[in-house]
Amino acid sequence: ETGVTQTPRHLVMGMTNKKSLKCEQHLGHNAMYWYKQSAKKPLELMFVYNFKEQTENNSVPSRFSPECPNSSHLFLHLHTLQPEDSALYLCASSQENPGNTIYFGEGSWLTVV
Amino acid sequence: QKEVEQDPGPLSVPEGAIVSLNCTYSNSAFQYFMWYRQYSRKGPELLMYTYSSGNKEDGRFTAQVDKSSKYISLFIRDSQPSDSATYLCAIKGNQAGTALIFGKGTTLSVSS
Repeated sequence: ETGVTQTPRHLVMGMTNKKSLKCEQHLGHNAMYWYKQSAKKPLELMFVYNFKEQTENNSVPSRFSPECPNSSHLFLHLHTLQPEDSALYLCASSQENPGNTIYFGEGSWLTVV
Repeated sequence: QKEVEQDPGPLSVPEGAIVSLNCTYSNSAFQYFMWYRQYSRKGPELLMYTYSSGNKEDGRFTAQVDKSSKYISLFIRDSQPSDSATYLCAIKGNQAGTALIFGKGTTLSVSS
């Protein structure tokens, strides 16, 4: 079991649906991240939260809405997605310090139909 | 020029071979260099971590950083079928709040 847990592991949703991805970290970290991983592309950083405050939003469309109620939990709310949003969504956490590494969850496989 | 370049492969080798995986980067301010391993349908897991230049060895794995050439390498000795995975290099600057920048990943297949 990793220190970062993501649910659900697999999700199929229609373009008009609303769903949420959940992430929980058990490592005592103070920074949490959402990454998107598509085939043949590098990992794309979507959002960063430090001490529950959003510090980075990499021009992500508003159909993706993050929420960080506390430093252990992170959500990604999904609404009216497009088929090209189908990807592996990875949550990660770290201690906010330049040299600290980030630890990933197993990811949520999203398919938009 | 992209910040991190990594040949996606695929790379196929026989069991027991020495594998060399590489990345180049463009920004000389990067100080932290990591390699992640990602098995199919799993999240990336940290494999090696290096600060600044030099070598680091862990079992069959050696990470090498050459800051003068902006080149990082991961060597796998006596490769095993269980090493078959995608290997991602990741690089980070020295300032608080900077995020990891990843390469595309190299897919490695080790045949028995």
